[in-house]
Amino acid sequence: EAQVTQNPRYLITVTGKKLTVTCSQNMNHEYMSWYRQDPGLGLRQIYYSMNVEVTDKGDVPEGYKVSRKEKRNFPLILESPSPNQTSLYFCASSRLAGVYEQFFGPGTRLTVL
Amino acid sequence: AQTVTQSQPEMSVQEAETVTLSCTYDTSESDYYLFWYKQPPSRQMILVIRQEAYKQQNATENRFSVNFQKAAKSFSLKISDSQLGDAAMYFCAYREINSGGSNYKLTFGKGTLLTVNP
Repeated sequence: EAQVTQNPRYLITVTGKKLTVTCSQNMNHEYMSWYRQDPGLGLRQIYYSMNVEVTDKGDVPEGYKVSRKEKRNFPLILESPSPNQTSLYFCASSRLAGVYEQFFGPGTRLTVL
Repeated sequence: AQTVTQSQPEMSVQEAETVTLSCTYDTSESDYYLFWYKQPPSRQMILVIRQEAYKQQNATENRFSVNFQKAAKSFSLKISDSQLGDAAMYFCAYREINSGGSNYKLTFGKGTLLTVNP
């Protein structure tokens, strides 16, 4: 089954404790992206990647890091989480060309205390 | 920068009736894509329908159709014969047509919460 998976689905942590949210897709998509969803703000892009070893900032990159060492994986790293990073996070992937839809993962609910 | 506006934070509809969700956007581009995504309580983002700006014909997917007015920069979603399973948050989204490897970012509106009453 074609899908985007994220782990963990739920995470409660404390300020300053490094964490990684994993994202993996099995569709051989070149493009991958991270979004965060906050009430009343919709979804906003954090980082994206056009292919292996090619990443760039989105609209709200502060406090986040990413890497793309393999085509299928695109982890989101919070080196020192803060309460304002409490949010719902989505990973998405798509092919590069055409009107290809972005396939979304199931979301990760992160709470930083 | 492109912006997407959904002016209706909440809407409600009776089961079997028709409802229209509004979306407007701002862009200086002439070619782009528009999407409606559905987010049910499970939080999964599900593509409902998409429209290429260069196509004059409005997209249709079963009970879902759009009214795309390019000059007015309007992209409304019509749901016919509403069902209880249509209850969800609906997001309108915009994406540029890319060439040469620029960002494929989706720009989202803030969403419209649709309630379906039995």
